[in-house]
Amino acid sequence: DIVMTQTPLSLSVTPGQPASISCKSSQSLLHSDGKTYLYWYLQKSGQSPQLLIYELSNRFSGVPDRFSGSGSGTDFTLTISRVEAEDVGVYYCMQSIQVPQTFGQGTKVEIK
Amino acid sequence: EVQLVESGGGLVQPGGSLRLSCAASGFTFSSYWMSWVRQAPGKGLEWVANIKQDGSEKYYVDSVKGRFTISRDNAKNSLYLQMNSLRAEDTAVYYCAEGYFFDSWGQGTLVTVSS
Repeated sequence: DIVMTQTPLSLSVTPGQPASISCKSSQSLLHSDGKTYLYWYLQKSGQSPQLLIYELSNRFSGVPDRFSGSGSGTDFTLTISRVEAEDVGVYYCMQSIQVPQTFGQGTKVEIK
Repeated sequence: EVQLVESGGGLVQPGGSLRLSCAASGFTFSSYWMSWVRQAPGKGLEWVANIKQDGSEKYYVDSVKGRFTISRDNAKNSLYLQMNSLRAEDTAVYYCAEGYFFDSWGQGTLVTVSS
């Protein structure tokens, strides 16, 4: 199974400041079709997870442009350009290049 | 608007069975892979199973193979998860999710396995 490792596991950010979360996979997520099967989700407190970024860097419908995904191969980053209060929650990366689809441990983001 | 509504969770004894259902609306259900993802209390997310549009392909995480069965009824816009031989470690909120990449999620249904 592909292991997904997120760092840090928790992050405290001042509103308006940037934040970044790293995700590393134990195998390359670059498929022969040219796509990178790396996804980012946010789970707000008491809610279901929601898709933010698909296939490495594509924002899902309705996701604010302050969220961006980047990286290649086995190293990936989710960046929030200017954190807002509504961005608090737990962020998960996930790979879908191989079954079983596997998630990172989650990164808890809170506001200072 | 996509809506996914899970039902069927509850308290069950170890070794028992439950059948979860997910009623889908707001999209063309028969055109999408569908998935089940679970979250143990206070823990992270774990993919459980998924099923192709026509039901011809099904995949499971190793820990549930031989015990859980995913199925769907496209005429009823419904997804199911039959869970047998339940164990304490199956205790979790079970989410139904649209697509292979979990575009949309239901609110979840809690399954508690305990004597």
